[in-house]
Amino acid sequence: GQSLEQPSEVTAVEGAIVQINCTYQTSGFYGLSWYQQHDGGAPTFLSYNALDGLEETGRFSSFLSRSDSYGYLLLQELQMKDSASYFCAVRLDDKLIFGTGTRLQVFP
Amino acid sequence: ETGVTQTPRHLVMGMTNKKSLKCEQHLGHNAMYWYKQSAKKPLELMFVYSLEERVENNSVPSRFSPECPNSSHLFLHLHTLQPEDSALYLCASSQEVGTGSNEQFFGPGTRLTVL
Repeated sequence: GQSLEQPSEVTAVEGAIVQINCTYQTSGFYGLSWYQQHDGGAPTFLSYNALDGLEETGRFSSFLSRSDSYGYLLLQELQMKDSASYFCAVRLDDKLIFGTGTRLQVFP
Repeated sequence: ETGVTQTPRHLVMGMTNKKSLKCEQHLGHNAMYWYKQSAKKPLELMFVYSLEERVENNSVPSRFSPECPNSSHLFLHLHTLQPEDSALYLCASSQEVGTGSNEQFFGPGTRLTVL
């Protein structure tokens, strides 16, 4: 089967750096995505890694290592508005399979 | 605003009721999706439509019946639901199915409660 595991919850303070890991038991996928979802809101796309390595988009970076079946989302200079749930997802042929989600709480 | 709207935002229904969820996307996309989001569980894909044709049915019970009359509209018809069907139902769209990142744009969801 296909499964993507994430820590259920991560806490950090404003200005800090936090890494949210995603380990998977999925083969034959095209790439790894990350989505952010605020409470009561819709998931929104953050990043996509088609190839191994690091992709940087402003304060957020995402990493993929297919050989290690592992990826992560790195959030720098944390702000209160970053408090949300974060989901990794792998793209298969015509669908996304989502991870279990990580709830990030940022404290002042 | 993501360009994807859903109505109603909240719905309470009895197990014998019939109701429909509506989704509309204003992005000119060709693919639309229904997801179920329950507490403490991953987003579960239910259905995928590409150019109004269903391309994926993820073993969803027949009490959920999707309809895609055109590439901008997607419905989920509900009948004889169970209390365990209570969840947030999310609609999404993407430019195409199965290309690039398949970046999906989600609507705000319908919070469904089945009594």
